[in-house]
Amino acid sequence: ETGVTQSPTHLIKTRGQQVTLRCSSQSGHNTVSWYQQALGQGPQFIFQYYREEENGRGNFPPRFSGLQFPNYSSELNVNALELDDSALYLCASSLPPAGGTHEQFFGPGTRLTVL
Amino acid sequence: AQTVTQSQPEMSVQEAETVTLSCTYDTSESDYYLFWYKQPPSRQMILVIRQEAYKQQNATENRFSVNFQKAAKSFSLKISDSQLGDAAMYFCAYRVGRDDKIIFGKGTRLHILP
Repeated sequence: ETGVTQSPTHLIKTRGQQVTLRCSSQSGHNTVSWYQQALGQGPQFIFQYYREEENGRGNFPPRFSGLQFPNYSSELNVNALELDDSALYLCASSLPPAGGTHEQFFGPGTRLTVL
Repeated sequence: AQTVTQSQPEMSVQEAETVTLSCTYDTSESDYYLFWYKQPPSRQMILVIRQEAYKQQNATENRFSVNFQKAAKSFSLKISDSQLGDAAMYFCAYRVGRDDKIIFGKGTRLHILP
């Protein structure tokens, strides 16, 4: 069984640029959630994708967008990068949403630095 | 507003001793789940233990147990027989039953002293 993987591991961008982060979900999981973890903070929910549709969104501006593909992998896109976007971005996969005790399995994250 | 508060930014414990990490949360929901996650330097978030709000019995996973006080909205984690590998950031987290986002606290950094 393959766990959640994310790429790249680290990324450095400059303010105003655009970035795409990638996530492959754990085998059998069709739901992907994205979180932003700023330094010294707990993760904050960005959004979730289920069956290629956005299924819930946190308090993040529209320049944070995502995609989910038929194989359940997902991308997080951030446009017009700002310095405050520097953070660890975590992806988590799980079985279908609608509550229950479905555990979210996290990937190792992508560390984004915006200069 | 749904919030999770961890009042201990850092804690230290001697190897083989017991340590308790504190967490309080605020919610008006009746159906929810509480979690403790461990994040080692490798950054991978690992679920340590989970508690369903409707269950009165405290959850236990080997050396890890919780003290769930629903009326007080308190959810502390006890680690028994601490091991060097327990050193990590520990996050208390909460999820409403019908929702799918997890709300995390700011974390407690746990140091294990040899």
